[in-house]
Parts: sequence; C-alpha cells; structure tokens
Amino acid sequence: DGGITQSPKYLFRKEGQNVTLSCEQNLNHDAMYWYRQDPGQGLRLIYYSQIVNDFQKGDIAEGYSVSREKKESFPLTVTSAQKNPTAFYLCASSVGQALTGELFFGEGSRLTVL
Amino acid sequence: GENVEQHPSTLSVQEGDSAVIKCTYSDSASNYFPWYKQELGKRPQLIIDIRSNVGEKKDQRIAVTLNKTAKHFSLHITETQPEDSAVYFCAASNPGGYQKVTFGIGTKLQVIP
Repeated sequence: DGGITQSPKYLFRKEGQNVTLSCEQNLNHDAMYWYRQDPGQGLRLIYYSQIVNDFQKGDIAEGYSVSREKKESFPLTVTSAQKNPTAFYLCASSVGQALTGELFFGEGSRLTVL
Repeated sequence: GENVEQHPSTLSVQEGDSAVIKCTYSDSASNYFPWYKQELGKRPQLIIDIRSNVGEKKDQRIAVTLNKTAKHFSLHITETQPEDSAVYFCAASNPGGYQKVTFGIGTKLQVIP
C-alpha cells in the first residue's frame, strides 16, 4: 500500500524537551514538506525538501529542524526554542518538478506541550 | 514570497444550494492552483486543481475558475450535500524548480440538511 506515514499520532511533551516527528513515504516522491496547522491559520509551511541532503526553510522555520538523509524519510524535530509548539503537524510529499504539484498528506501528528 | 488570501473563513448553506469560496494570490509566477478538502479529523486531499493556461475546470459538482489578470481563483460547489461539509483550502505554487506550496487559511463549509 503506497502512502505517507506519520508517527506518533499523538505526542505529549514537557516544556524544554525536544521531540522528533517521523514522516516516511513509499511513493518514490522527490519532494517532502512539513506543515503546521492551527485553528484559523490554515497550513503554514515549516520546511521543505526537493532532494536528498537538501532542504529549505519555509515561512515558520524558527524553533524547528529537519534532515533528509534518505529519499523516503523527512523527520521534523521540534526544539525547545519553539515558543508555541502545541499544534497539529502534517507531513506531505509530491513528485516534485512535475506539471502538477499535488501534495499527498500523512494523517498528521498532534503535539501537546504540557 | 507568495501570499494567498481566502474568504470567507466560514460558510453555511442549505443542502442543494451552491457554495463559492474565493482566493487571491500575490506572486504572478504562480501557475498551479489546487484545492484541498479536509474532513474532520482527516488528512487534506486534493479535490480539483487548475493551471494558469486554463480559465475554468469542472469535475461533476465542483468547478474552479481562474482570473490570471486579477490574480484570483474560486471554487464553486453546486447542489451541495451534507458530505460536502469540511474545511476547504486553496493554494498556489510554481511546480517548476523548487516548489513551494502556499495555502490560504481555509474555509469551513457547513451544509445544513
């Protein structure tokens, strides 16, 4: 079954702790993305990556870090520097450099900071 | 960078009526405009898209129109049904090169039976 998998689905963190959200895809897509979803603010881009070992900051990258060591994996670390980390995080992938840029989303990870 | 504005933020319609959601974008280089539907508790999924060389596209009860000169595009849903209730996001991107997809804030559509 091809798709994009995020884990964990729910995560609780104490203030001051770093957490890493996993995103894996078996669609053979080149491009991968992390979005943050907050009520009334839509989907805001955190980081994106077009190819392995390369990634770019999105609109709200402060307090986050990513890596792209493998084509199928794009983990997101929410660091203690992120001031308001409680949110719903969505990972997505796309073929990249194609005529259409359809994004395929994972189920999301809900992070709550206690 | 690209800025996408979407309105209204909430929309209630009676079942069978039409619903229209409007978006504007700022970057004239954007040439791909998808619409995503997110049902409660689920992932966003593409429902229709349009490229800048086309003015209108239809798929059964949904249609999208694009005005490149004015930099705005709209989603039209006809004969709405309760299962159309969801949050709808418009987006803009330039798939060529380093693709960055920018979303609007979303419209929560409620179809009242």
